[in-house]
Amino acid sequence: GQQLNQSPQSMFIQEGEDVSMNCTSSSIFNTWLWYKQDPGEGPVLLIALYKAGELTSNGRLTAQFGITRKDSFLNISASIPSDVGIYFCAGQPFTGNQFYFGTGTSLTVIP
Amino acid sequence: NAGVTQTPKFRVLKTGQSMTLLCAQDMNHEYMYWYRQDPGMGLRLIHYSVGEGTTAKGEVPDGYNVSRLKKQNFLLGLESAAPSQTSVYFCATASLRGPDQPQHFGDGTRLSIL
Repeated sequence: GQQLNQSPQSMFIQEGEDVSMNCTSSSIFNTWLWYKQDPGEGPVLLIALYKAGELTSNGRLTAQFGITRKDSFLNISASIPSDVGIYFCAGQPFTGNQFYFGTGTSLTVIP
Repeated sequence: NAGVTQTPKFRVLKTGQSMTLLCAQDMNHEYMYWYRQDPGMGLRLIHYSVGEGTTAKGEVPDGYNVSRLKKQNFLLGLESAAPSQTSVYFCATASLRGPDQPQHFGDGTRLSIL
């Protein structure tokens, strides 16, 4: 299957700091999604990206579809305690019905 | 507005037992998916369905079967459970507009095989 490398694996930051994480693939993707998962719950969609170079915001979150189509980035500005959770990227190649998920970035925000 | 509902939420099985996990959706979504989530491995697709009466294999289909007899339900079966199938199972759905549409997830079924 497709390999998605997500980094960093974990982050410990102070409240108010900005956060950056990224996801890279070995092949070209048509769609990138970013999800957040809280303990004991399913992933919840944060941002969807459909075009190379696209930059989309959702409140304090901003995600970008890399120009090479092989990567995507998520930034969180001015982090707050409720940002704690695991963030997953997911990408879909041009053919097929399947999304491939990264291994997740665990975010801890220290008040 | 329930969205995606998974039943049961928790289950413990003995090796060799069988069981069925149920996913029910009330969003009239065409596409439905079953994933498993294991520590450090993210979500891996087991099987999926692009519409009522259809199913297809994902990345890790071995040891599982699925059925989509009704549009709103997608069942995942384990015929003979093995300890390697201990995992958290998530169901997801996506709209009719296309498989590239974002998937909506249930809250998961935590399954332990002893």
